[in-house]
Amino acid sequence: GAGVSQTPSNKVTEKGKYVELRCDPISGHTALYWYRQSLGQGPEFLIYFQGTGAADDSGLPNDRFFAVRPEGSVSTLKIQRTERGDSAVYLCASSSSLSGGARNEQFFGPGTRLTVL
Amino acid sequence: AQSVSQHNHHVILSEAASLELGCNYSYGGTVNLFWYVQYPGQHLQLLLKYFSGDPLVKGIKGFEAEFIKSKFSFNLRKPSVQWSDTAEYFCAVNAQDTGRRALTFGSGTRLQVQP
Repeated sequence: GAGVSQTPSNKVTEKGKYVELRCDPISGHTALYWYRQSLGQGPEFLIYFQGTGAADDSGLPNDRFFAVRPEGSVSTLKIQRTERGDSAVYLCASSSSLSGGARNEQFFGPGTRLTVL
Repeated sequence: AQSVSQHNHHVILSEAASLELGCNYSYGGTVNLFWYVQYPGQHLQLLLKYFSGDPLVKGIKGFEAEFIKSKFSFNLRKPSVQWSDTAEYFCAVNAQDTGRRALTFGSGTRLQVQP
């Protein structure tokens, strides 16, 4: 079946602009995660949704970052007043919420490469 | 808070050589442990995972990992690597005792297998 998809695959923007990154999880997966991966580093957790609600947003670096998942499926990560330090690959993952919880495999999308000039 | 260390940043091996990639974590409680792989041009995918029971776990493509609780380690092994194993490998953990799902990743090890 279809995996996690993310759009756009690449986004170039100017410092100070607003960007939106979209994630389409695997159908039926109620858990959705956002991570950020900087060059030479492993993915870094940003936020986790269970259904429509953010169950854990402890990884969001500041109030310029916000994410929504209004219908419990597609999610949008929103970054206001972008800074050069926001340049990274933004990864989305989803997992099943059958018994297993934190043990469940997270399936990753291809990522959106964000470049802030 | 958890942290993960992967000591080997870049490993170069010839085909048929044996592989061991180190992973150490820091956390006072019980953890779930994962190894993910990212092949060139592809997205992250799960190699194997450990929650409990036999500390030696087997994954896809002939990979295995051993959990040594006393050493806080979860090293990845493969007896004989192939050129197609060229990829970046990430160790990750989350907290089993709190149920917090966020994964904490290491910085990755880039494996290059020469034919």
